[in-house]
Parts: sequence; C-alpha cells; structure tokens
Amino acid sequence: AQSVSQHNHHVILSEAASLELGCNYSYGGTVNLFWYVQYPGQHLQLLLKYFSGDPLVKGIKGFEAEFIKSKFSFNLRKPSVQWSDTAEYFCAVNDPNDYKLSFGAGTTVTVRA
Amino acid sequence: GAGVSQSPSNKVTEKGKDVELRCDPISGHTALYWYRQSLGQGLEFLIYFQGNSAPDKSGLPSDRFSAERTGGSVSTLTIQRTQQEDSAVYLCASSRTSGGSSYNEQFFGPGTRLTVL
Repeated sequence: AQSVSQHNHHVILSEAASLELGCNYSYGGTVNLFWYVQYPGQHLQLLLKYFSGDPLVKGIKGFEAEFIKSKFSFNLRKPSVQWSDTAEYFCAVNDPNDYKLSFGAGTTVTVRA
Repeated sequence: GAGVSQSPSNKVTEKGKDVELRCDPISGHTALYWYRQSLGQGLEFLIYFQGNSAPDKSGLPSDRFSAERTGGSVSTLTIQRTQQEDSAVYLCASSRTSGGSSYNEQFFGPGTRLTVL
C-alpha cells in the first residue's frame, strides 16, 4: 500500500510570494499522482494530475507540479500566490491498477493580503 | 445532478445510536467511493462500489460500518452503535468507471460532518 507524506502542516505567506508544497510517497511501482484543493466551504476538487509523459504538469489557477521519480516526490508550486489561494491542499497517489486514492494529511495554506 | 451530493451536511448523534449517511453520485458514474477525514488527518479510504457491488470493503474500520448501493446510484453508509472516535467528515466520490490504464477522475461531494457526543 502507498503512503503519502506532506511536509508542511500549515504555510502562511503574503500575496505575490512563491509557494512550494512538498509531497513524497512510498511505492516502488508505477503511480498516478494528484493534487487536490479544498477552498473554505467548498468541495474537494482536482488541481492537477500526472499519469505519464512530461514530469512537469500544469494545472488550473497557475499551479504546476513536478514528478521526480528518483525522489518519489510530486511537489506543488505556484510562482505568485493570491489571497484566493487560501485553502487546504492534499497530495494523493494511486496504483494505476487500483482505484482508491491514498491521501496525505493535507497542508493548510493561508495567504495574507 | 451537476455534482455529487451528500446528506445530511451535518449530523450530531449520541454515542450508541445508529446513523445513516447518504450519497448521490453524478448521474452515469458507475464507481462510487467513501472516504473519511478525521481531524488533522488526510482522507482515509473506506469502501468502493462498482455498480451495486462492493469488491473492496477493506477500509471499513469495524463491523459497525456497512454500506450499500442500490440501482447503481445512491449509496448509504451506515454506522451502528456510534462511538466518539467515529466523529469525522465522511466524503463520497464518484467516477465514470474505475481502474484501467486511463484514470477516471474522482469527483467529491461536500461531505457529512458527523459528531458523536
């Protein structure tokens, strides 16, 4: 079974600052990788996903993530955050032959205006 | 419907009571999933349905937990004799299908916040 660890529990930053959230997983085989976001009072929604191909994946709202297989990592980045990026961010992994997602504990991001 | 819906949005119950949580998946989605999010923890997989059958119940934490799905649509998660450690947000998700080489995105509902006093 996969396990997913997110390095930061809570990140606080100012608007226009750059954001990077760490995610590492433990699984030796091929994986699908995801970042989900939950804005205050809203549903969990998909930010971006990686299945194969270019390890640099671009998602919605200016987010991107890079899959580094040798480091078992899938870090999320945004060059310049906005107040509206305040949310909880979850990294998730699944085996392509499986269906269930394994989630990290989440990182709360607070962007100060 | 437009998205996954869940009811109730909040449920407060007394220890020892039974509760039922409902999930309406996106129309046409054959796969349905239940997850649980406890305070300060990530989402924990509970059970998965493909159609009306549940090939994987491995995530259910105890035999007090059960789930069913009827008509390939609505699903109910039942917790019997609730305990305080059952307090959590219960999330439902659905996808067009499951597994295979092409991942089908799981769309999540708003969740049911369960509080056991």
